[in-house]
Amino acid sequence: KQEVTQIPAALSVPEGENLVLNCSFTDSAIYNLQWFRQDPGKGLTSLLLIQSSQREQTSGRLNASLDKSSGRSTLYIAASQPGDSATYLCAVAGTASKLTFGTGTRLQVTL
Amino acid sequence: DVKVTQSSRYLVKRTGEKVFLECVQDMDHENMFWYRQDPGLGLRLIYFSYDVKMKEKGDIPEGYSVSREKKERFSLILESASTNQTSMYLCASSLEGLDEQYFGPGTRLTVT
Repeated sequence: KQEVTQIPAALSVPEGENLVLNCSFTDSAIYNLQWFRQDPGKGLTSLLLIQSSQREQTSGRLNASLDKSSGRSTLYIAASQPGDSATYLCAVAGTASKLTFGTGTRLQVTL
Repeated sequence: DVKVTQSSRYLVKRTGEKVFLECVQDMDHENMFWYRQDPGLGLRLIYFSYDVKMKEKGDIPEGYSVSREKKERFSLILESASTNQTSMYLCASSLEGLDEQYFGPGTRLTVT
């Protein structure tokens, strides 16, 4: 059974810092990996999707990497802003369109 | 932009009531999903559907059923609500297969 772990569970950084969020998964037989953002009490917003054949994807200040063989992905956020404060979730897609989610990293960017 | 809407943001029901949660997507997506999200447990898949009238059990289907009579609408049904079904319920859709999933705003259900 696939298990997805995100460390740390919470992170606080000052504005302007670059930061890395980590995601690890136990079964490397994945089709893709997706990073989401969730604001308190809200739904999920898709940030990036990396196919299993890709090594990384970029969108603006966000860069996600994937090392399938070692079961790891990272989300790099450049020049963090207070508006980046949210919970970040990673999810891996296995068979039958099913996503397995991590429990998230709660990020706070302080002024 | 893909839009996924859910019928209620907040819902309070009594134990034993039948509860309907509705989800509608406007992008002609094939796949639709229902998840619940609980602190410390993350998101867990309840049911999903890859076509009209088709459904598949997810990881925690017990106590739930679903209905998909039209492509754009996917309903989650709690036949007899119980307090352990108090949770945030999230609906999602994807074009097909293993495409990117798009989520609705969620329904926070409280069963008293």
